[in-house]
Amino acid sequence: NAGVTQTPKFRILKIGQSMTLQCAQDMNHNYMYWYRQDPGMGLKLIYYSVGAGITDKGEVPNGYNVSRSTTEDFPLRLELAAPSQTSVYFCASSYTTSGLPYEQYFGPGTRLTVT
Amino acid sequence: GQNIDQPTEMTATEGAIVQINCTYQTSGFNGLFWYQQHAGEAPTFLSYNVLDGLEEKGRFSSFLSRSKGYSYLLLKELQMKDSASYLCAVGDSNYQLIWGAGTKLIIKP
Repeated sequence: NAGVTQTPKFRILKIGQSMTLQCAQDMNHNYMYWYRQDPGMGLKLIYYSVGAGITDKGEVPNGYNVSRSTTEDFPLRLELAAPSQTSVYFCASSYTTSGLPYEQYFGPGTRLTVT
Repeated sequence: GQNIDQPTEMTATEGAIVQINCTYQTSGFNGLFWYQQHAGEAPTFLSYNVLDGLEEKGRFSSFLSRSKGYSYLLLKELQMKDSASYLCAVGDSNYQLIWGAGTKLIIKP
């Protein structure tokens, strides 16, 4: 049981480049989330998904896109990278049948630098 | 607006007790979480409070007062490995978590 996995662990992008951050979970969780964490700041929700085929915007979705074709995978796409997207990105998952925000399990994170 | 406040940094001595406070103002309330995050690592779940009162789990306890918009995390018998950031998060009316900036706890021998 690997839990939540993310790839890559580190990445340096040039301004204007694009990339996909991969996230997978093997716990059969229905909810999945993408957060970014900037130094000295709280986690900010980018996008989330309540199940395969269903995604919704969080607090800071601009410049990102997601898809959820399977229960296990929830990739995050960055288009036209900007220095403001330099951050640590965390994927998380949780299981709930009521919509209540139960415990979230986090992946190890992807440290992205845009220069 | 939605706001969660925690002290930025605290220092305590190994073997002592420390209390980390969290105050919140959110649109709706669906529980309060505490997470631990070691430097360079992912957050890990510590506790969840949805009703007023104290929840105890080993050396860690968490308290909630919904009427005051206030919670604290109490760490007893501090160990060097407790040096980490402690994140307070509140479930809002949309069932999403609103996160505080975290409190960096430094443990000194």
